[in-house]
Parts: sequence; structure tokens; C-alpha cells
Amino acid sequence: DGGITQSPKYLFRKEGQNVTLSCEQNLNHDAMYWYRQDPGQGLRLIYYSQIVNDFQKGDIAEGYSVSREKKESFPLTVTSAQKNPTAFYLCAISDTFRGYTFGSGTRLTVV
Amino acid sequence: GEDVEQSLFLSVREGDSSVINCTYTDSSSTYLYWYKQEPGAGLQLLTYIFSNMDMKQDQRLTVLLNKKDKHLSLRIADTQTGDSAIYFCASLTNNNAGNMLTFGGGTRLMVKP
Repeated sequence: DGGITQSPKYLFRKEGQNVTLSCEQNLNHDAMYWYRQDPGQGLRLIYYSQIVNDFQKGDIAEGYSVSREKKESFPLTVTSAQKNPTAFYLCAISDTFRGYTFGSGTRLTVV
Repeated sequence: GEDVEQSLFLSVREGDSSVINCTYTDSSSTYLYWYKQEPGAGLQLLTYIFSNMDMKQDQRLTVLLNKKDKHLSLRIADTQTGDSAIYFCASLTNNNAGNMLTFGGGTRLMVKP
């Protein structure tokens, strides 16, 4: 995936449990993004970070949290406050000229 | 903010040309992109065009940009069954938060043998 790695590929969450999705990059890009995709739907922006130690809410941030302590890493936590977390989660990094490079995604299912 | 629209679905026969259309609203868009998503996978960048260009060709792909009408299209020549996927159009704009990509809702292309 061009230097961006998401893990795990599949994740199962019990009701009321927090889970953390990993996104790591080795391309030295400043900007990183988290998107949510529901079946048959487009992408919705959850959070983004333009620089280390700074991040901004996207369109659907409620029930999610992030951190950006290192340039290479932008983990997303799906909290118990997110009532409908089952979805496909995509992380992306930004190279302005070439747009975004996406990871291979994490499919989260509530069991 | 920017709004990007695409039709939901396109069906073509193998060997025909496919044309996927997209409209956007922000005239300050600098780059426009086409991404392909296969089932269960992330988005793969297919091609992009700078906003001062009218056309870009890359093998079977032709991108046409009408900046006046804010209309972007992707033509796939000799469409194959392996081209079946969801295609996303995206517009790059710059705001206080920096460069941001706004995506359309995606067009599902089905190629019939």
C-alpha cells in the first residue's frame, strides 16, 4: 500500500467495548486522515491531522478519538459512545501533488 | 464547502467504452482525481488532472475536465471485467485547515461479459 499500513484487517468488537485501529506510514507525510465507509456508501471524514500533536474533527467525529504523538502513527479509537460502529475504516496520507494514498482498510464488526 | 456529485451506477458490456461523470462546485479546486475501489480494498489512485488542463490520457484512461461547467469525466476504453469496481471522483481544495480532498459518493461500474 505504498508505505501506509492499517491493522488489523478484520476486528470484532463487543457492545460497550473500546477498540483501537492502527495506521502507520513510512513516507514522512505530515497529513493523515481517517474515513468511514458504510456498505454502498461514499467516504465520510472522521478525523484528520496536518501535523504531529495536532488533529481536527471531521464530519462524523462523535464516538471516535485519535492521537498523533508521532509523525508515523495516527491511531483511531472507536469508543463505546459510537452506537453504530460496524463499517469499513480507511486511513490515508496526503501527498499534495498525488492526492491521498490509502491503506487497505480495517473492517470492524460489532458482535 | 466543496460538494462533489457522481451518478451511482453504470453498466456496460465488455469491450465497450465506459464514461463516468462527476461534477464539483468549488472553482478554486487545484487538482481532480479518480480513484478505484475493488471489493474489500482501499482506494487506489488511477489518475489525476491539474485544473489548468483540459484532458489527460493514460493508456486506456482519458480524463476530460470542463472547468467552466465544473465537470470531470473518466473514459475507460475497451472496458474489461476486471474494471468492475467503484470509482470515486475527488477534488482538492485549500482552506484554513490546509489541503483537503472532497470525495464524490462513488459510481459502481459493472462490466458484463
